Amino acid sequence: DIQMTQSPSSVSASVGDRVTITCRASQGISSWLAWYQQKPGKAPKLLIYAASSLQSGVPSRFSGSGSGTDFTLTISSLQSEDFATYYCQQANSFPYTFGQGTKLEIK
Amino acid sequence: EVHLVESGGGLVQPGGSLRLSCAASGLTFSSYSMNWVRQAPGKGLEWVSYISSSSSTIYYADSVKGRFTISRDNAKNSLYLQMNSLRDEDTAVYYCVRSGYYFDYWGQGTLVTVSS
Repeated sequence: DIQMTQSPSSVSASVGDRVTITCRASQGISSWLAWYQQKPGKAPKLLIYAASSLQSGVPSRFSGSGSGTDFTLTISSLQSEDFATYYCQQANSFPYTFGQGTKLEIK
Repeated sequence: EVHLVESGGGLVQPGGSLRLSCAASGLTFSSYSMNWVRQAPGKGLEWVSYISSSSSTIYYADSVKGRFTISRDNAKNSLYLQMNSLRDEDTAVYYCVRSGYYFDYWGQGTLVTVSS
């Protein structure tokens, strides 16, 4: 199985900050990677697919990059509604696997 | 607008069974692969099972293989998960999720609690 490791596990930031979350795959997955946002008590929401493609309706302050084993999610200027938990997920092969999550908290 | 509504969750004793259902609307259900993804209380996301649009291809996570069965009825726009031999560690919110390669639409989830 492909293991997905996110860092950091949690991060504190302020509105307006630029934040980067990283995700590393245990083996190469080309660009078969997605990022999700989850708020408490809600279902996850797809933000980025194919490593760098923005899902329809997602603000342009979200961006993704990377290929192979190393990927990043960047939020260019944090808004209050962005404080949530973020997960990466590989879609290269079954079993699909998620990172452990990164909790983005208000500083 | 796509809507996925799960039902069938509840409290069940270890070793018991439960059948989850997911009613889909706002999409051509028969054209899409579907999945179940779960989340234990306070924990991360875990993919559980996948079924292709025609049911010809099915996959399971090792943690549920041999105990859970995914199925669908395209005429009823419905997805199912039959869960047998339930264990404490199966306690989670179970989400019905549409996918191509990525999970683009999620239901609100249904809580399954396995406890004596």
